[in-house]
Amino acid sequence: AQRVTQPEKLLSVFKGAPVELKCNYSYSGSPELFWYVQYSRQRLQLLLRHISRESIKGFTADLNKGETSFHLKKPFAQEEDSAMYYCALKGGGGNKLTFGTGTQLKVEL
Amino acid sequence: GAVVSQHPSWVICKSGTSVKIECRSLDFQATTMFWYRQFPKQSLMLMATSNEGSKATYEQGVEKDKFLINHASLTLSTLTVTSAHPEDSSFYICSASHLNTEAFFGQGTRLTVV
Repeated sequence: AQRVTQPEKLLSVFKGAPVELKCNYSYSGSPELFWYVQYSRQRLQLLLRHISRESIKGFTADLNKGETSFHLKKPFAQEEDSAMYYCALKGGGGNKLTFGTGTQLKVEL
Repeated sequence: GAVVSQHPSWVICKSGTSVKIECRSLDFQATTMFWYRQFPKQSLMLMATSNEGSKATYEQGVEKDKFLINHASLTLSTLTVTSAHPEDSSFYICSASHLNTEAFFGQGTRLTVV
Protein backbone atom coordinates (compact mmCIF):
# COMPACT_ATOMS: atom_id res chain seq x y z
CA ALA A 1 0.00 0.00 0.00
CA GLN A 2 1.19 3.50 -0.67
CA ARG A 3 1.04 6.23 1.90
CA VAL A 4 2.07 9.86 2.15
CA THR A 5 2.67 11.51 5.50
CA GLN A 6 2.85 15.23 6.16
CA PRO A 7 3.48 15.57 9.88
CA GLU A 8 2.70 19.25 10.22
CA LYS A 9 -0.84 20.55 9.83
CA LEU A 10 0.25 24.13 10.21
CA LEU A 11 3.59 25.80 9.67
CA SER A 12 3.97 29.45 10.52
CA VAL A 13 7.07 31.39 9.51
CA PHE A 14 8.08 35.00 9.20
CA LYS A 15 8.60 36.65 5.83
CA GLY A 16 12.16 36.10 4.66
CA ALA A 17 12.68 33.03 6.83
CA PRO A 18 13.48 29.63 5.32
CA VAL A 19 10.65 27.19 4.81
CA GLU A 20 10.68 23.41 4.88
CA LEU A 21 7.49 21.44 4.48
CA LYS A 22 8.02 17.83 5.35
CA CYS A 23 6.77 14.86 3.36
CA ASN A 24 7.54 11.19 3.87
CA TYR A 25 6.21 8.36 1.79
CA SER A 26 5.79 4.64 1.87
CA TYR A 27 5.88 2.74 -1.39
CA SER A 28 7.53 -0.49 -2.43
CA GLY A 29 8.43 0.48 -5.99
CA SER A 30 9.80 3.59 -7.65
CA PRO A 31 7.37 6.40 -7.00
CA GLU A 32 6.75 9.70 -8.64
CA LEU A 33 6.42 12.47 -6.09
CA PHE A 34 4.62 15.77 -6.48
CA TRP A 35 3.85 18.89 -4.53
CA TYR A 36 0.49 20.55 -5.10
CA VAL A 37 -0.54 23.96 -3.80
CA GLN A 38 -3.97 25.39 -3.09
CA TYR A 39 -4.18 29.13 -2.59
CA SER A 40 -7.14 30.61 -0.79
CA ARG A 41 -10.37 30.08 -2.75
CA GLN A 42 -8.52 28.57 -5.70
CA ARG A 43 -8.27 25.09 -7.10
CA LEU A 44 -5.50 22.64 -6.47
CA GLN A 45 -2.59 23.08 -8.85
CA LEU A 46 0.68 21.34 -9.46
CA LEU A 47 3.68 23.11 -7.96
CA LEU A 48 6.48 20.76 -8.88
CA ARG A 49 7.38 17.14 -9.51
CA HIS A 50 10.54 15.34 -8.56
CA ILE A 51 11.36 14.12 -12.06
CA SER A 52 11.57 17.68 -13.35
CA ARG A 53 14.21 18.74 -10.82
CA GLU A 54 13.07 22.29 -11.27
CA SER A 55 12.58 25.29 -9.03
CA ILE A 56 9.12 26.82 -9.13
CA LYS A 57 8.41 30.12 -7.37
CA GLY A 58 11.66 29.58 -5.49
CA PHE A 59 10.58 26.18 -4.16
CA THR A 60 12.63 23.03 -4.61
CA ALA A 61 12.15 19.46 -3.48
CA ASP A 62 14.62 16.60 -3.59
CA LEU A 63 13.59 12.98 -3.52
CA ASN A 64 15.60 11.12 -0.89
CA LYS A 65 14.97 7.43 -1.43
CA GLY A 66 17.06 6.42 1.57
CA GLU A 67 14.91 8.47 3.91
CA THR A 68 11.76 8.08 1.76
CA SER A 69 11.28 11.82 1.92
CA PHE A 70 10.39 14.60 -0.48
CA HIS A 71 10.56 17.75 1.59
CA LEU A 72 9.64 21.08 0.02
CA LYS A 73 12.03 23.94 0.65
CA LYS A 74 12.33 27.64 -0.02
CA PRO A 75 15.17 29.77 1.32
CA PHE A 76 13.16 32.96 1.84
CA ALA A 77 9.41 32.82 2.44
CA GLN A 78 7.17 35.42 0.84
CA GLU A 79 3.72 36.50 1.97
CA GLU A 80 2.20 35.14 -1.25
CA ASP A 81 3.46 31.67 -0.37
CA SER A 82 0.74 31.36 2.26
CA ALA A 83 -1.38 28.44 1.09
CA MET A 84 -2.19 24.80 1.64
CA TYR A 85 0.48 22.42 0.37
CA TYR A 86 -0.12 18.78 -0.43
CA CYS A 87 2.48 16.15 -1.12
CA ALA A 88 1.33 13.40 -3.46
CA LEU A 89 2.62 10.11 -4.75
CA LYS A 90 1.93 8.31 -7.99
CA GLY A 91 2.86 4.69 -8.26
CA GLY A 92 1.84 1.34 -9.67
CA GLY A 93 1.03 2.60 -13.12
CA GLY A 94 -1.84 4.80 -14.20
CA ASN A 95 -2.29 8.34 -13.03
CA LYS A 96 -3.70 7.65 -9.57
CA LEU A 97 -2.44 10.03 -6.90
CA THR A 98 -2.26 9.43 -3.16
CA PHE A 99 -2.28 12.67 -1.20
CA GLY A 100 -0.90 13.56 2.17
CA THR A 101 -3.07 15.38 4.67
CA GLY A 102 -1.63 18.73 3.72
CA THR A 103 0.27 21.48 5.53
CA GLN A 104 -1.08 24.98 5.89
CA LEU A 105 1.78 27.42 5.41
CA LYS A 106 1.28 30.83 6.93
CA VAL A 107 3.86 33.49 6.21
CA GLU A 108 3.68 36.34 8.66
CA LEU A 109 5.02 39.83 8.18
CA GLY B 1 -2.39 24.90 -18.06
CA ALA B 2 -5.45 23.02 -19.17
CA VAL B 3 -8.84 23.87 -17.68
CA VAL B 4 -11.16 21.53 -15.86
CA SER B 5 -14.54 22.87 -14.87
CA GLN B 6 -16.99 21.46 -12.35
CA HIS B 7 -20.65 22.26 -12.19
CA PRO B 8 -22.25 23.20 -9.93
CA SER B 9 -19.77 24.86 -7.59
CA TRP B 10 -22.13 24.30 -4.72
CA VAL B 11 -25.43 22.52 -4.27
CA ILE B 12 -27.90 22.00 -1.46
CA CYS B 13 -30.27 19.07 -1.70
CA LYS B 14 -32.83 17.37 0.48
CA SER B 15 -32.06 14.09 2.14
CA GLY B 16 -33.15 11.18 -0.05
CA THR B 17 -32.76 12.96 -3.35
CA SER B 18 -30.03 12.45 -5.93
CA VAL B 19 -27.63 15.06 -7.16
CA LYS B 20 -25.40 15.08 -10.22
CA ILE B 21 -22.02 16.80 -10.46
CA GLU B 22 -20.39 17.40 -13.82
CA CYS B 23 -16.69 17.54 -14.59
CA ARG B 24 -15.60 18.89 -17.97
CA SER B 25 -12.22 19.22 -19.59
CA LEU B 26 -12.54 22.41 -21.60
CA ASP B 27 -9.52 22.37 -23.87
CA PHE B 28 -8.21 18.83 -23.93
CA GLN B 29 -9.41 15.26 -24.20
CA ALA B 30 -9.50 13.60 -20.81
CA THR B 31 -8.87 9.91 -21.21
CA THR B 32 -8.96 9.51 -17.44
CA MET B 33 -10.91 11.38 -14.80
CA PHE B 34 -10.64 11.03 -11.06
CA TRP B 35 -13.16 11.83 -8.36
CA TYR B 36 -12.05 12.84 -4.89
CA ARG B 37 -13.81 13.66 -1.69
CA GLN B 38 -12.42 16.10 0.83
CA PHE B 39 -13.66 16.56 4.36
CA PRO B 40 -12.93 19.83 6.18
CA LYS B 41 -9.23 20.21 6.96
CA GLN B 42 -8.50 16.74 5.65
CA SER B 43 -6.80 15.35 2.62
CA LEU B 44 -8.27 14.44 -0.73
CA MET B 45 -9.48 10.87 -0.73
CA LEU B 46 -9.71 9.19 -4.11
CA MET B 47 -13.15 7.73 -4.66
CA ALA B 48 -12.87 6.34 -8.16
CA THR B 49 -11.02 6.43 -11.44
CA SER B 50 -12.91 6.51 -14.70
CA ASN B 51 -11.62 5.92 -18.18
CA GLU B 52 -13.64 7.10 -21.14
CA GLY B 53 -16.01 4.41 -22.33
CA SER B 54 -15.26 2.04 -19.45
CA LYS B 55 -16.76 1.34 -16.08
CA ALA B 56 -15.25 3.29 -13.22
CA THR B 57 -12.82 1.65 -10.82
CA TYR B 58 -13.84 2.39 -7.24
CA GLU B 59 -11.53 2.57 -4.26
CA GLN B 60 -12.06 0.24 -1.37
CA GLY B 61 -14.91 1.33 0.85
CA VAL B 62 -16.64 3.49 -1.77
CA GLU B 63 -20.15 2.30 -2.61
CA LYS B 64 -20.46 2.15 -6.38
CA ASP B 65 -24.25 2.01 -6.24
CA LYS B 66 -24.34 5.18 -4.21
CA PHE B 67 -21.76 7.15 -6.15
CA LEU B 68 -22.53 6.57 -9.81
CA ILE B 69 -19.82 7.65 -12.19
CA ASN B 70 -20.26 8.02 -15.91
CA HIS B 71 -17.50 8.97 -18.34
CA ALA B 72 -19.32 8.83 -21.64
CA SER B 73 -17.14 11.24 -23.58
CA LEU B 74 -13.57 12.47 -23.62
CA THR B 75 -14.60 15.79 -22.13
CA LEU B 76 -17.27 14.92 -19.59
CA SER B 77 -17.58 12.77 -16.51
CA THR B 78 -20.45 12.88 -14.05
CA LEU B 79 -20.75 11.83 -10.43
CA THR B 80 -24.26 11.17 -9.16
CA VAL B 81 -24.79 10.89 -5.44
CA THR B 82 -27.91 8.77 -5.11
CA SER B 83 -30.29 8.95 -2.17
CA ALA B 84 -28.10 11.54 -0.52
CA HIS B 85 -27.88 11.76 3.25
CA PRO B 86 -26.34 14.41 5.49
CA GLU B 87 -23.20 12.30 5.92
CA ASP B 88 -22.61 12.65 2.17
CA SER B 89 -22.12 16.37 2.64
CA SER B 90 -18.60 17.09 1.54
CA PHE B 91 -16.39 18.78 -1.01
CA TYR B 92 -16.12 16.75 -4.21
CA ILE B 93 -13.24 17.40 -6.57
CA CYS B 94 -12.52 15.96 -9.99
CA SER B 95 -9.31 15.88 -11.94
CA ALA B 96 -8.69 15.01 -15.54
CA SER B 97 -5.69 13.92 -17.54
CA HIS B 98 -4.88 13.00 -21.10
CA LEU B 99 -3.20 9.60 -21.30
CA ASN B 100 -0.66 9.59 -18.45
CA THR B 101 0.20 13.26 -18.45
CA GLU B 102 -0.39 15.82 -15.70
CA ALA B 103 -3.80 15.77 -14.07
CA PHE B 104 -5.63 19.09 -13.81
CA PHE B 105 -8.13 19.76 -11.08
CA GLY B 106 -11.58 21.23 -11.09
CA GLN B 107 -12.58 23.92 -8.63
CA GLY B 108 -14.62 21.49 -6.58
CA THR B 109 -18.29 21.16 -5.68
CA ARG B 110 -19.58 21.78 -2.18
CA LEU B 111 -22.48 19.42 -1.50
CA THR B 112 -24.73 20.03 1.48
CA VAL B 113 -27.49 17.56 2.22
CA VAL B 114 -30.21 18.84 4.53
